[in-house]
Amino acid sequence: AQSVTQLGSHVSVSEGALVLLRCNYSSSVPPYLFWYVQYPNQGLQLLLKYTSAATLVKGINGFEAEFKKSETSFHLTKPSAHMSDAAEYFCAVTVSGNTPLVFGKGTRLSVIA
Amino acid sequence: NAGVMQNPRHLVRRRGQEARLRCSPMKGHSHVYWYRQLPEEGLKFMVYLQKENIIDESGMPKERFSAEFPKEGPSILRIQQVVRGDSAAYFCASSPPSGQGSTQYFGPGTRLTVL
Repeated sequence: AQSVTQLGSHVSVSEGALVLLRCNYSSSVPPYLFWYVQYPNQGLQLLLKYTSAATLVKGINGFEAEFKKSETSFHLTKPSAHMSDAAEYFCAVTVSGNTPLVFGKGTRLSVIA
Repeated sequence: NAGVMQNPRHLVRRRGQEARLRCSPMKGHSHVYWYRQLPEEGLKFMVYLQKENIIDESGMPKERFSAEFPKEGPSILRIQQVVRGDSAAYFCASSPPSGQGSTQYFGPGTRLTVL
């Protein structure tokens, strides 16, 4: 079975500062990993995904994530936070295409002017 | 290409009533998933369907909940005799046929409130 742990239910950064949202996963087989963003009262939007190709994955809105098998991590980063990045971020894992996603509990990102 | 559609966006029911949530997948997508999001929680998988088939319902409560994805029309998540604990946001996601990608695309959700 797969699981995801997101360290920090709430992260606060200053505008222009580095964003780092942590995700560790557990999977007995090579995983597919995803980061989604959720704005208030909206659905989830895909930021980026890892499906066993390049370990450094670039996504939308300047976000990227690095798959580190030895650390079972898939942390999300952005060099410079913008006010519009304030949202809830979810890390998710699955083991192949067309199988249910297992989500972490989410990290709420606040950006301070 | 329209995204995943869900309706209604908000649904209020009294205890004991039935709730019907609808999901229309993206064009060309044949896989539908339902997830539930409780306050301060991540999304929890409920059921995975293909046209006319339930593939995996391991996350579905054994009683009162059912789902279908008919040959024609949207997928329906049905909750009978709702209770206050059913209040949550219900999200539908769809993905392309096998071999055409693994990404699930989410709808805007239906927020169910049980009074």
